This record gives sequence, structure tokens and C-alpha cells, in this order.
Amino acid sequence: GENVEQHPSTLSVQEGDSAVIKCTYSDSASNYFPWYKQELGKRPQLIIDIRSNVGEKKDQRIAVTLNKTAKHFSLHITETQPEDSAVYFCAAADNQFYFGTGTSLTVIP
Amino acid sequence: DSGVTQTPKHLITATGQRVTLRCSPRSGDLSVYWYQQSLDQGLQFLIQYYNGEERAKGNILERFSAQQFPDLHSELNLSSLELGDSALYFCASSDRGEQFFGPGTRLTVL
Repeated sequence: GENVEQHPSTLSVQEGDSAVIKCTYSDSASNYFPWYKQELGKRPQLIIDIRSNVGEKKDQRIAVTLNKTAKHFSLHITETQPEDSAVYFCAAADNQFYFGTGTSLTVIP
Repeated sequence: DSGVTQTPKHLITATGQRVTLRCSPRSGDLSVYWYQQSLDQGLQFLIQYYNGEERAKGNILERFSAQQFPDLHSELNLSSLELGDSALYFCASSDRGEQFFGPGTRLTVL
């Protein structure tokens, strides 16, 4: 089955700096790559996603890149703000969703 | 609000007991997924249903079972509960790819 690895497990950045979270996957059949943000005690919320026919997607301060050849995809958050502090999960999916282990992001004011 | 509902929000019970968690997917979504999230842990995939049929199984214990009904709502049954079953249980629904999570049920086993 699919194996999704996510790094780093924790990340601290100064407010205004950029944050990058990386994920790798193993199954070339995966064709959908969402990212979720989860605040403490709340549901994971979809923040951005990318499909395998696209290399990059951007939504305001958030961008995702996908390298199908290398089987890795990354989340980029620019101009970070304290409210970006949360746990971020990547996932790779074909018929099933396989989640990474999460990155706890702390933005220091 | 994702459109996915889960009941109850909180559940406190004792070891050895049995509980049922309920999930209603977004209107039109045929797939329902169940996940377990223990304290400071990631999302552990339990099971997926699609239009009433079991589609995929993850790390679901034999003490746990699930079903999806004709109206597409789903129930997760947890029996012979142990302290280690205390966790947040999320369901999610999807149609054409995007997966949306419900608010979760927090289960506490004492």
C-alpha cells in the first residue's frame, strides 16, 4: 500500500517568515494530494490540494508543489502569522486516503 | 462547517462497554471514512464505505465494526472498550476527491 512520510514533525518560525513542509509518497497510482490544517481539538480542514496533472497551485499565502517523478510534494506558507500555528497533515490518495504523521507549526510573534 | 455531522460530541463510558458513533455525510457524498486520533497522534485510518459497501480497511481492531446505511449515514461500533480506545473519532465524506471531516466524537473510557 501507499506510504506517506512527512517532515519535519515540528517547525517553529518567526512571524513573517516562510514555512515549508515536505511529504513523500510511494505509490505512483496516487493522484490527489490534499493538505489539512488542524487546530487543537478541532477537525482537520482542507486548506489546499493538488492533482497529479498539475505541478503547482497557489492560494494567497499558501502554495503546494508536486514533483511526480520524485514522488514528493510540499506545502509553502509565506508571511506566516500567529494564526497559522496548528498541525498540518499531508495526504496522498487514489481510492483511499493515506495521511502523513503531521507537522506541528508554531509561529512566534 | 463542512456539512458532515457527527453525534455525539462527547462520550464518557467505562471499560468493557460498547458504544456507537454516528456520522452523516455531506449531501451527495457516497464515501464515508472513519479515523481514530489519539492524543498528539496523527490520523489513523480505520475503514471506508462507499454507497453502503465496505471499500477499504485500515488498522481497525476486531472489537470495532462499522456499517453504512441506505440513507448513507454510517455508524462505528466500538465494543469491549479499553482505556487505550480513548481518542477523537472523526468521520469524513467525499465524492469526487475532496475529503471533508466532521467535528469528531471525543470518546473517554474510564
